[in-house]
Amino acid sequence: AQSVAQPEDQVNVAEGNPLTVKCTYSVSGNPYLFWYVQYPNRGLQFLLKYITGDNLVKGSYGFEAEFNKSQTSFHLKKPSALVSDSALYFCAVRDNQAGTALIFGKGTTLSVSS
Amino acid sequence: DAGVIQSPRHEVTEMGQEVTLRCKPISGHDYLFWYRQTMMRGLELLIYFNNNVPIDDSGMPEDRFSAKMPNASFSTLKIQPSEPRDSAVYFCASSLYRGEELFFGSGTQLSVL
Repeated sequence: AQSVAQPEDQVNVAEGNPLTVKCTYSVSGNPYLFWYVQYPNRGLQFLLKYITGDNLVKGSYGFEAEFNKSQTSFHLKKPSALVSDSALYFCAVRDNQAGTALIFGKGTTLSVSS
Repeated sequence: DAGVIQSPRHEVTEMGQEVTLRCKPISGHDYLFWYRQTMMRGLELLIYFNNNVPIDDSGMPEDRFSAKMPNASFSTLKIQPSEPRDSAVYFCASSLYRGEELFFGSGTQLSVL
């Protein structure tokens, strides 16, 4: 069975500092990995995805994520945080070989202070 | 395209009443998903369709929940009878291909009193 874990309920960073939101996953086959962001009272918005190829994936709003197969991780990063980045972030995984639908982590609240 | 459209945005009902949530996916998308979001359980997949056919409904909580997709541009999620524990935000999402990213609607905030 596939699963995804976001070990931190909340991450706090100061504006201008780098941020990392952690994600680990478990699948039996090859993973498709995604990050989504949710602003209050809104649906989830796609940020970036890893299917295959380069382990470093670049996405929207300056975010990037690094796929690490040995550590089964897909951490979200940004070199310089903005106050407007404050939101709820979800990691999601899909087992490509099993053909299952996307499964989401519990989410991590990112709070960027000015 | 206007994106995934859900209605209503908010629904307040009394226990025992029937609730119907509606979704219009992005035109041309072959996959449609229903998710439920709560503080306790996060985002849960309820059911998904491919070309209007239900593929996996293992996430549907119980027989009180049912979902249909009569055509490529419309889907409903029905709860009958509703219970207070059904209170949540229900999201509909669609995607072009199975491995592609999902596009989410704005959700329906359901409150069952």
